[in-house]
Amino acid sequence: NAGVTQTPKFRVLKTGQSMTLLCAQDMNHEYMYWYRQDPGMGLRLIHYSVGEGTTAKGEVPDGYNVSRLKKQNFLLGLESAAPSQTSVYFCASSYNPGGVGNEQFFGPGTRLTVL
Amino acid sequence: RKEVEQDPGPFNVPEGATVAFNCTYSNSASQSFFWYRQDCRKEPKLLMSVYSSGNEDGRFTAQLNRASQYISLLIRDSKLSDSATYLCVVTQDQGGKLIFGQGTELSVKP
Repeated sequence: NAGVTQTPKFRVLKTGQSMTLLCAQDMNHEYMYWYRQDPGMGLRLIHYSVGEGTTAKGEVPDGYNVSRLKKQNFLLGLESAAPSQTSVYFCASSYNPGGVGNEQFFGPGTRLTVL
Repeated sequence: RKEVEQDPGPFNVPEGATVAFNCTYSNSASQSFFWYRQDCRKEPKLLMSVYSSGNEDGRFTAQLNRASQYISLLIRDSKLSDSATYLCVVTQDQGGKLIFGQGTELSVKP
């Protein structure tokens, strides 16, 4: 099993450009998440999905859109990139998030720079 | 006030030392608690869940104090390979949203 994979690994954008980050998991997990990580800020939840066809906002959703058309894929879109969106983006998935022992599995991250 | 707060460190300790990390959380409704480990420029990985009665996994011991809203991680006999950032994490609802602390950096020196 590949676990959680992210595409691309690195990207440089100019302000105003758009792009889509792809997250894929092969563990049949219902729950998927997008986080961003900035120095000194820890990981912050952007959007998440509790199942195919559903999405919800996290802590920092502005400037991002998501879609979960297939259970195994969770897409994060930036419609008009801004320098403040320069960050490392992590995708994660989990089977049953409630309760003790739940684990979120993370992808390797996408390093995005917006000039 | 941040929902989950940790001492950012860095903690610089010699091999073999015992080191303790502390974490506090602000929402008394928090349900599940974890320690994740993150190596430099890599993804976070689950180190251990934290149970109400406290739990141990080899050299690692986690404690939870719900009354004080406090979580701890103790690492005994530190190894060079323990050098990483340790993230305190809580969940607050059944949607499984994880709230991360900013992480505590540990550097174990020979």
